[in-house]
Amino acid sequence: RKEVEQDPGPFNVPEGATVAFNCTYSNSASQSFFWYRQDCRKEPKLLMSVYSSGNEDGRFTAQLNRASQYISLLIRDSKLSDSATYLCVVNGGGNFNKFYFGSGTKLNVKP
Amino acid sequence: DAGVIQSPRHEVTEMGQEVTLRCKPISGHDYLFWYRQTMMRGLELLIYFNNNVPIDDSGMPEDRFSAKMPNASFSTLKIQPSEPRDSAVYFCASRPASGSYEQYFGPGTRLTVT
Repeated sequence: RKEVEQDPGPFNVPEGATVAFNCTYSNSASQSFFWYRQDCRKEPKLLMSVYSSGNEDGRFTAQLNRASQYISLLIRDSKLSDSATYLCVVNGGGNFNKFYFGSGTKLNVKP
Repeated sequence: DAGVIQSPRHEVTEMGQEVTLRCKPISGHDYLFWYRQTMMRGLELLIYFNNNVPIDDSGMPEDRFSAKMPNASFSTLKIQPSEPRDSAVYFCASRPASGSYEQYFGPGTRLTVT
């Protein structure tokens, strides 16, 4: 079983739409959670950390459900510039340096 | 501030040749990571260092792969001999000792082994 599983998409949405991604993780001891964004042929960059209480950054909201071991990312009012692949990242149990990356969910925002 | 620097950005080599990838982490970062990204397997951690010491190399695929960090500002990932299945994008990342555990990635080296 993979450490982190994501729906690969693609999600094709019009500008202004709200879109949600989910990811599940297998290690119940994981303690750090992130969403990274990767543009085509570029390196991954941190979008936001995910906290137990949920957190929001502008149009982006991240949620963590420890009981069900899933993480979500909600993007409101999608922009063309949001088109990218979104990677769910979870640390491996007690090791904060071992990141496990999901395969990514591709988002295409259309005009 | 300069980010993580990797060289070369692109490498094309023939099977059996030695390949050396280079990385300069962000100054002051104590941790350095090497990743490989392929369509089939996604992004995988190969090895990471703390204060120039290799801590976990369990992700290194086989003995053909080796990594070194002779000082705080330089690391290499070597493949010898290279094989076509090593074709991938290799990323180096670094992070400081304290903070949010965010890892900062370099632009990657796109390796093609023919």
